[in-house]
Amino acid sequence: EAGVTQFPSHSVIEKGQTVTLRCDPISGHDNLYWYRRVMGKEIKFLLHFVKESKQDESGMPNNRFLAERTGGTYSTLKVQPAELEDSGVYFCASSHNGRTQYFGPGTRLLVL
Amino acid sequence: SQQGEEDPQALSIQEGENATMNCSYKTSINNLQWYRQNSGRGLVHLILIRSNEREKHSGRLRVTLDTSKKSSSLLITASRAADTASYFCATDSGAGSYQLTFGKGTKLSVIP
Repeated sequence: EAGVTQFPSHSVIEKGQTVTLRCDPISGHDNLYWYRRVMGKEIKFLLHFVKESKQDESGMPNNRFLAERTGGTYSTLKVQPAELEDSGVYFCASSHNGRTQYFGPGTRLLVL
Repeated sequence: SQQGEEDPQALSIQEGENATMNCSYKTSINNLQWYRQNSGRGLVHLILIRSNEREKHSGRLRVTLDTSKKSSSLLITASRAADTASYFCATDSGAGSYQLTFGKGTKLSVIP
């Protein structure tokens, strides 16, 4: 069984540009989560999808971040426009029952 | 204050020794999970313990949970060089979202 995959693995962009991160969950997992870890800080929750619906987006930092999960399969997280403080590692996780979450390898984003 | 704080922040042991890491949290939890992250890689789920459980084993891993003290410990027995990684505890309140709250992690180094 394939695990959670994320694309790209790394992204380097300039401040003000747009970046779109993609997450493919484990097949059959209705629950999909986004987290991020900025330098020196804890891994923080961003949002949670159940199928295509946003169950909880309380962790989204501001309206520069837009997450979608059309069709309830893969998800995208767009940052527009990117700021320096957005640099960090963005993790995606999926879960069948909501409890045990399986994480992807992360996307390392660097905003210059 | 942070939910899920690991102790110690860094631990260095010889191969074959046991490693114990602790985690404290502040609010009520539904589940507590331990994850491992090898350098530059994603998070690997190790074990989940429910709030009504006190101890759980998986291979060389032993996790305990003391809800009265709001603390958990992860014991790795007979450590190997391959156990070198960062270890995180993560809690959820189960309030519909199961969003995980992470600590900063313990960096374990196992010296061959």
